[in-house]
Amino acid sequence: DIQMTQSPSSLSASVGDRVTITCRASQDISNWVAWYQQKPEKAPKSLIYAASSLQSGVPSRFSGSGSGTEFALTISSLQPEDFATYYCQQYNSYPLTFGGGTTVDIK
Amino acid sequence: QITLKESGPTLVKPTQTLTLTCTFSGFSLSTRGVGVGWIRQPPGKALEWLALIYWNDDKRYGPSLKSRVTVTKDTSRNRVVLALTNMGPLDTATYYCAHIPTGDIAFDLWGQGTKVTVSS
Repeated sequence: DIQMTQSPSSLSASVGDRVTITCRASQDISNWVAWYQQKPEKAPKSLIYAASSLQSGVPSRFSGSGSGTEFALTISSLQPEDFATYYCQQYNSYPLTFGGGTTVDIK
Repeated sequence: QITLKESGPTLVKPTQTLTLTCTFSGFSLSTRGVGVGWIRQPPGKALEWLALIYWNDDKRYGPSLKSRVTVTKDTSRNRVVLALTNMGPLDTATYYCAHIPTGDIAFDLWGQGTKVTVSS
């Protein structure tokens, strides 16, 4: 199974900050990575697919990058509604696996 | 507009079988490439993929529950059913179904989730 290791597990940031979350795959997964945002007691929301493609309706301050084993989700200017937990997921091969999550909270 | 909604019991007893239904609209599971997946999330923990089923009835299962889980579809009624046997306390979680678009395996739209507690 492919392990997805996210870092950090949590971070504190202020509105307007640039935030980067990383995800490392245990083997080469090309660009088959998705990123999701989850707010408390809500379902995950898709942000990014294929490592860097923005889902329809997602603000452009979100971006994804990387290939192979190293991936990143960047929020260029953190907004109040972005405080949430973020998950990466690989879909290069079965079983589909998620990272452990990164919680972004208010500094 | 695609929507998905999970339904089923909120409380099950240990050793029982959990049956959850995902009822969807806005797409057809007879469309080539489309699929529906199931993911769960124990309280305070990360997401775990359980199973998925494709338009052509191809089914895939996560390894941790493979011997206990079954996924089926009813294309005419726009439903996907997840069955999980021999439920235990560690199966307490919120269960989500999610849409897989043609040509991809990432989940682009999710249901609201349904909380299931296993307790006697």
